[in-house]
Amino acid sequence: GAVVSQHPSRVICKSGTSVKIECRSLDFQATTMFWYRQFPKQSLMLMATSNEGSKATYEQGVEKDKFLINHASLTLSTLTVTSAHPEDSSFYICSASQTPNTEAFFGQGTRLTVV
Amino acid sequence: AQSVTQPDIHITVSEGASLELRCNYSYGATPYLFWYVQSPGQGLQLLLKYFSGDTLVQGIKGFEAEFKRSQSSFNLRKPSVHWSDAAEYFCAVGAEVLTGGGNKLTFGTGTQLKVEL
Repeated sequence: GAVVSQHPSRVICKSGTSVKIECRSLDFQATTMFWYRQFPKQSLMLMATSNEGSKATYEQGVEKDKFLINHASLTLSTLTVTSAHPEDSSFYICSASQTPNTEAFFGQGTRLTVV
Repeated sequence: AQSVTQPDIHITVSEGASLELRCNYSYGATPYLFWYVQSPGQGLQLLLKYFSGDTLVQGIKGFEAEFKRSQSSFNLRKPSVHWSDAAEYFCAVGAEVLTGGGNKLTFGTGTQLKVEL
């Protein structure tokens, strides 16, 4: 099956700094990538959808200036949490899909802790 | 807007017993339906999906799910649970197939499955 790799799996950063999370499709070209956020013992909430070479589409309530998404190639999307604060601590998961498939494959997630 | 309800937050079953996890969705047309499993601190693994056709869908690890339009349900079943099935299970609905592929998924709140030996 298709493999999506997310890096790092865990990161701890100081409040006010920025953190970059990478999402790579290893064996297919991902025309669309999705970024989700999961709070402890809660469901996944879609943050944004990105298509290669274009600006990401953010869901309502998600600050695009805080959560910068770049999808510069067909195998890589990045999420940068800028000026992180403790309330940004969460589990971030990406998924990727390829035209014309309707299924998306998930990465293993990144646990972000802001101290 | 689409929504998903998983009424059971926690379920405990004995190993070897049968399992049914409930999922109800809300969407105006025929949705794309998914069941995912998540182990602690891990991403999501797709168990099965329904797009169209046969309403009884077979998935991996012996799981199956049945799409019932009249009940707006997509319940997940397994005839005999193994201890390794203990995990969190998420039902998801995707209504919009994007130009680049994939669906914007709306997830239920999840059901935590505990298996007693």
